[in-house]
Amino acid sequence: EDKVVQSPLSLVVHEGDTVTLNCSYEVTNFRSLLWYKQEKKAPTFLFMLTSSGIEKKSGRLSSILDKKELFSILNITATQTGDSAIYLCAPLAYKYIFGTGTRLKVLA
Amino acid sequence: DAGVTQSPTHLIKTRGQQVTLRCSPKSGHDTVSWYQQALGQGPQFIFQYYEEEERQRGNFPDRFSGHQFPNYSSELNVNALLLGDSALYLCASSPAGTANQPQHFGDGTRLSIL
Repeated sequence: EDKVVQSPLSLVVHEGDTVTLNCSYEVTNFRSLLWYKQEKKAPTFLFMLTSSGIEKKSGRLSSILDKKELFSILNITATQTGDSAIYLCAPLAYKYIFGTGTRLKVLA
Repeated sequence: DAGVTQSPTHLIKTRGQQVTLRCSPKSGHDTVSWYQQALGQGPQFIFQYYEEEERQRGNFPDRFSGHQFPNYSSELNVNALLLGDSALYLCASSPAGTANQPQHFGDGTRLSIL
């Protein structure tokens, strides 16, 4: 059975801290892995990772995939209160399989 | 460029009733997927529609059914509602060939069952 585990489940940090969110997966017919940020409603797309070892960056966020060890990490540097959200990891096989998410709260 | 739109935003029903939720995909997208997101959980895949046919289905009972129209919009129908059906229902769209294209989500319909 396909499985996605995100850790930690929740995290509270102060502005300026750096955080690392983890996603491990066991998915048949894996194609790619996506990260989404969910605030109040619609998850918004952050990254799509297809190849191992290639870091993708967008501002203070970066992510990398390890297809051998079956995990991905999402890093956020110099966190801001606007980063407070649930971060969802979703490996894609023939369908997206979402993890439970990591709830990040950034305190001012 | 309109993104994914869903209606209604909120809905309250009672047990045993049926409900229809609607989704219009992002312009240029022809594949629509539906998800159920319970409180504190990640979205769970219900099914996906492409070319007006159900292409993939998750582990949901037959009470959950759907439809896709020629203009790519979609409906999710749930019959014989149970208390456990209370959740945020998300619609996501993508272009054909989802393998290399991220899905874009709507804001969802919050369904409450009393």
